[in-house]
Amino acid sequence: GDSVTQMEGPVTLSEEAFLTINCTYTATGYPSLFWYVQYPGEGLQLLLKATKADDKGSNKGFEATYRKETTSFHLEKGSVQVSDSAVYFCALSGVGKLIFGTGTRLQVFP
Amino acid sequence: DVKVTQSSRYLVKRTGEKVFLECVQDMDHENMFWYRQDPGLGLRLIYFSYDVKMKEKGDIPEGYSVSREKKERFSLILESASTNQTSMYLCASREERGRGETQYFGPGTRLLVL
Repeated sequence: GDSVTQMEGPVTLSEEAFLTINCTYTATGYPSLFWYVQYPGEGLQLLLKATKADDKGSNKGFEATYRKETTSFHLEKGSVQVSDSAVYFCALSGVGKLIFGTGTRLQVFP
Repeated sequence: DVKVTQSSRYLVKRTGEKVFLECVQDMDHENMFWYRQDPGLGLRLIYFSYDVKMKEKGDIPEGYSVSREKKERFSLILESASTNQTSMYLCASREERGRGETQYFGPGTRLLVL
């Protein structure tokens, strides 16, 4: 069945460092792909999404490109801030529902 | 902005109690979802509903039931709470299947079953 695999965390970075969180997927058909973020004590918020191959989603300095050839949707940011510390979830649209990865915790230190 | 609210942020219940978790959305969304979130397991779908009085089992429905009597409200029921149901519960809503896949989440209810 459809599935999402994310790199395990925590990812620990200094402020202004470059961020990559890897996400790969297995799916039949052509799903939409998502990154959600969960700040401490809160629910999930949509960060960005891409609906077809080669689409790039972007928001708040984060970017991810839908790569069909490598079945990947890696999240990147050029310069992280302490306020980016959160748990990041990659997800794909399955049959009527979202399928989530296990989440990657990002910790950014000043 | 879409707003999804959950009745409690924190709950403590005893084993065997009947537990109700309430979720309300204010955007007239057709679809609603209940997930549980556990460390290392991500989010797992418990139940979902495409419309009023409709419900579908998700991946882990055992020990849970749901109720959707009104479009804006989706309730998760633990008929007899057990310690392995200690978890974070997240509710979400979506406009309509096939019209944008984005789900909007509430803040979550952290349930502790003693």
